[in-house]
Amino acid sequence: QQQVKQSPQSLIVQKGGISIINCAYENTAFDYFPWYQQFPGKGPALLIAIRPDVSEKKEGRFTISFNKSAKQFSLHIMDSQPGDSATYFCAAIFQGAQKLVFGQGTRLTINP
Amino acid sequence: NAGVMQNPRHLVRRRGQEARLRCSPMKGHSHVYWYRQLPEEGLKFMVYLQKENIIDESGMPKERFSAEFPKEGPSILRIQQVVRGDSAAYFCASSPSAREQAFFGQGTRLTVV
Repeated sequence: QQQVKQSPQSLIVQKGGISIINCAYENTAFDYFPWYQQFPGKGPALLIAIRPDVSEKKEGRFTISFNKSAKQFSLHIMDSQPGDSATYFCAAIFQGAQKLVFGQGTRLTINP
Repeated sequence: NAGVMQNPRHLVRRRGQEARLRCSPMKGHSHVYWYRQLPEEGLKFMVYLQKENIIDESGMPKERFSAEFPKEGPSILRIQQVVRGDSAAYFCASSPSAREQAFFGQGTRLTVV
């Protein structure tokens, strides 16, 4: 019940295309859903986050779509660039806690 | 304003030895979290500490692993009698309070040979 399932495991997108990564969760006690970007040899860095009372949040080329009834959320990267090539993790956190539950990660490659 | 500092960045230990991983949180941060990342997997929560207190250790293996965050100095994750399966990247994160964003360090990559 504490799992967050992420797909796909890897993704290749052409430069300028849209990258879409999906996550699903079971536990409705989660109340905060961040996405992290990780480059090789680095720690995860917060990219964008959303709360379940909002259906969409956009920051620049990055958008989170949230479907509370389906318990799913996704990251969309518009106009994908080679510099976006990294591993992306979705995560979820319980209200009042700080323990992040991470998805398995998606290795994104943007071909020039 | 330095970020979360972890050292060493890489650590090689023989089976049966002890590994000590250090984490210095960002200035003003009194909450520290440790996560483990196995190859090709997501990060798994291990332990959450405040100064001198362990708040949540639900992700810590019951044996050989311990963590501390003393009043002075860095947080330490200690792994005794390491085994091959302990080989992973260990990440530390810190935050100023329980409800604020945590920032991650660059990790310590432990290799057990």
